[in-house]
Amino acid sequence: AQSVSQHNHHVILSEAASLELGCNYSYGGTVNLFWYVQYPGQHLQLLLKYFSGDPLVKGIKGFEAEFIKSKFSFNLRKPSVQWSDTAEYFCAVRAGGGATNKLIFGTGTLLAVQP
Amino acid sequence: DGGITQSPKYLFRKEGQNVTLSCEQNLNHDAMYWYRQDPGQGLRLIYYSQIVNDFQKGDIAEGYSVSREKKESFPLTVTSAQKNPTAFYLCASTGRYTEAFFGQGTRLTVV
Repeated sequence: AQSVSQHNHHVILSEAASLELGCNYSYGGTVNLFWYVQYPGQHLQLLLKYFSGDPLVKGIKGFEAEFIKSKFSFNLRKPSVQWSDTAEYFCAVRAGGGATNKLIFGTGTLLAVQP
Repeated sequence: DGGITQSPKYLFRKEGQNVTLSCEQNLNHDAMYWYRQDPGQGLRLIYYSQIVNDFQKGDIAEGYSVSREKKESFPLTVTSAQKNPTAFYLCASTGRYTEAFFGQGTRLTVV
């Protein structure tokens, strides 16, 4: 069955530290991959997405993610975090690549950035 | 403006009652989804629909029902069989080569 794992449930970093959040999925075929962010009291916002092509995807606010097919991973990175990056981050996978296929989210990673 | 509209924003239900959450989209998307968001559990898929008059169960469908009579509409009914219905419910839709677009959510509280 299709599933998504986010191994880091809580991450605490100081400002200017580098960030990497893990995301692994279980599905052997074509996938579409997404990272969403939810700031405190706000709604989900798309950070970046991967459909095909260059496995290194750049998103908004300086975030990027790398799709490594052999590892079934789509880790999110940012070289230098800011206090304003404090939020919950969700990885999502749509199996099969079809626009109408099942879309599954991970359990989220709560990031706290200390000034 | 194109988007997804969920209503109501807040909903209170007495135990033993069914309640229906509305979700409408004008994005011409084929697929629509219902998720439940609980702290520490992320977004869990309740039901999804790939086309009108068809829908599939997600991971936590028990106690819920849906219909998809029109492309634009995908209402979710929380039945009295749902043991822990208090939660934040999100509706989403996707189109070809797009990410999921979300509604504003409905916070359901059982009193």
